[in-house]
Amino acid sequence: DAGVTQSPTHLIKTRGQQVTLRCSPKSGHDTVSWYQQALGQGPQFIFQYYEEEERQRGNFPDRFSGHQFPNYSSELNVNALLLGDSALYLCASRVWLAGDHTGELFFGEGSRLTVL
Amino acid sequence: SQQGEEDPQALSIQEGENATMNCSYKTSINNLQWYRQNSGRGLVHLILIRSNEREKHSGRLRVTLDTSKKSSSLLITASRAADTASYFCATASYNTDKLIFGTGTRLQVFP
Repeated sequence: DAGVTQSPTHLIKTRGQQVTLRCSPKSGHDTVSWYQQALGQGPQFIFQYYEEEERQRGNFPDRFSGHQFPNYSSELNVNALLLGDSALYLCASRVWLAGDHTGELFFGEGSRLTVL
Repeated sequence: SQQGEEDPQALSIQEGENATMNCSYKTSINNLQWYRQNSGRGLVHLILIRSNEREKHSGRLRVTLDTSKKSSSLLITASRAADTASYFCATASYNTDKLIFGTGTRLQVFP
């Protein structure tokens, strides 16, 4: 049973470029969330997708956008990269449960983005 | 923004000793979760405690929650070198799916 998989594992971009990160949720999961973790900090919530729609969003600018596909996989896109976007980007998945939205999350190993 | 603050920021102990980490948070919660992270890799869920629970056990882990003080503690008993990692508390509020993580405690267990 594959867990959450993310790609690429590492990438380097320059300021102003755009990046796309990919995530496949754990088998049987239909809800995907993205988190940004700066060095030495805890993860910060970017947004969550369910049924191909963005359901919740954290305090991130519009440069951060996402998508969920019919097979539940997801992409995170970041435009006009800034040096401060350098971080570990984590994808997490779970099963959508009506009435109880806050259970355990299963995380991938992350994509480490370096912006030069 | 970070919801929780873990204390201490770093902790070094010998194998066999107990490790205690504390977490404080700011707003009312539905539940509080603890996660472990090895060397900047993915997070692994350890335990979840609901707002109406005061204590929970899982193997060598013991978690307490005091909602009146908005604080939680994670106790790892009989620590092992393999427990070396960063530990994060994360709070979940009502009617929201996002987790708000603290700043983490770096635990080093020496053989």
